[in-house]
Amino acid sequence: DAKTTQPPSMDCAEGRAANLPCNHSTISGNEYVYWYRQIHSQGPQYIIHGLKNNETNEMASLIITEDRKSSTLILPHATLRDTAVYYCIVRERSGAGSYQLTFGKGTKLSVIP
Amino acid sequence: DAGVIQSPRHEVTEMGQEVTLRCKPISGHNSLFWYRQTMMRGLELLIYFNNNVPIDDSGMPEDRFSAKMPNASFSTLKIQPSEPRDSAVYFCASSTDRGQPQHFGDGTRLSIL
Repeated sequence: DAKTTQPPSMDCAEGRAANLPCNHSTISGNEYVYWYRQIHSQGPQYIIHGLKNNETNEMASLIITEDRKSSTLILPHATLRDTAVYYCIVRERSGAGSYQLTFGKGTKLSVIP
Repeated sequence: DAGVIQSPRHEVTEMGQEVTLRCKPISGHNSLFWYRQTMMRGLELLIYFNNNVPIDDSGMPEDRFSAKMPNASFSTLKIQPSEPRDSAVYFCASSTDRGQPQHFGDGTRLSIL
């Protein structure tokens, strides 16, 4: 069972910031939040992950609430190439579950010209 | 840098035939994962290797499926005999260790007639 809840779909205007929410209310202290995306006909692509602090890389920013029960992936300037299904995944940082990536249904982001 | 390389990209064969899917992980990665994606079930982990040793094959659907990793740079997933319900996209992924981000190949689209 996926431990996360995401909206099934979202639209975003090209050039605007895309903010993708994720609820993970049962997250434990041993679990990271990971984000992947899957562009049509391609394999899933790793975007970013975090434990409790906000994270930023060349692709996106990850904002995790203080209680860690939800997070938001931010694509600062969405382009048409960002149209994809975005998966929020909770995974253990160590132990037997640290290898498991359990993909839910994700959010289908459509970037509109 | 070369990513995870899978072959073939597409395979169409008749039921009952043996199917072999191949994967070359990213050099230096010591964890390798096989996933299957269908519309009905989404992305599912089939089996996971660490340092060429199978660690968890609980996701392998039945005895018709087998996977090997003879060395650090090559893995195979074999289906014998194949059935129409095996039709799916099969992804291979690798990571530097089991708790690290996984990097996926572009998959093999398998159709069993």
